[in-house]
Amino acid sequence: DGGITQSPKYLFRKEGQNVTLSCEQNLNHDAMYWYRQDPGQGLRLIYYSQIVNDFQKGDIAEGYSVSREKKESFPLTVTSAQKNPTAFYLCASSSRGGGTEAFFGQGTRLTVV
Amino acid sequence: GENVEQHPSTLSVQEGDSAVIKCTYSDSASNYFPWYKQELGKGPQLIIDIRSNVGEKKDQRIAVTLNKTAKHFSLHITETQPEDSAVYFCADRRDIILGNEKLTFGTGTRLTIIP
Repeated sequence: DGGITQSPKYLFRKEGQNVTLSCEQNLNHDAMYWYRQDPGQGLRLIYYSQIVNDFQKGDIAEGYSVSREKKESFPLTVTSAQKNPTAFYLCASSSRGGGTEAFFGQGTRLTVV
Repeated sequence: GENVEQHPSTLSVQEGDSAVIKCTYSDSASNYFPWYKQELGKGPQLIIDIRSNVGEKKDQRIAVTLNKTAKHFSLHITETQPEDSAVYFCADRRDIILGNEKLTFGTGTRLTIIP
């Protein structure tokens, strides 16, 4: 089945540690996105990538890093520099242009303990 | 897009009545406007979308209207059912090849259908 997969579903991290969230898609989409969602709030864009080996900062990129070495993969690293990392993280992908749908993964809930 | 405002933040509707959620956007280059439904603990799913060359689109009980001049678009759900209860997000995007295509979301509307 084609789709977008995030792992793990739940993640616990100690303060001061970096952690990497996985996002994989087999939809042959060029564009991929990472969003952060806090309780009762909307989706805020962290990073996005329109093509392999290229990515741009979103609205809240500080404390995060990404890579796009393969078309199907867009991992997000939450670094120790991120002051409030506890949140629900959503990855999405879409084709470029033409008003095409963006598909979302099921999310990763990160909790800092 | 640059900024998307969504209203209301919460909405309670009697089962069978209609629900309307409104969004305004600021990026005049935006030309694609999707609506997503998010159930608890899950990722958002597209329920309907509209492009800038169309003023209205309908899919069974769901419809979206777009006013490009005023830069606002709305989601209409008729004959609401309990399973419509969820958080709904509007979004906008400019579809320009090799350009800035980021998808910008509104802050969401928590819709509750009262049986």
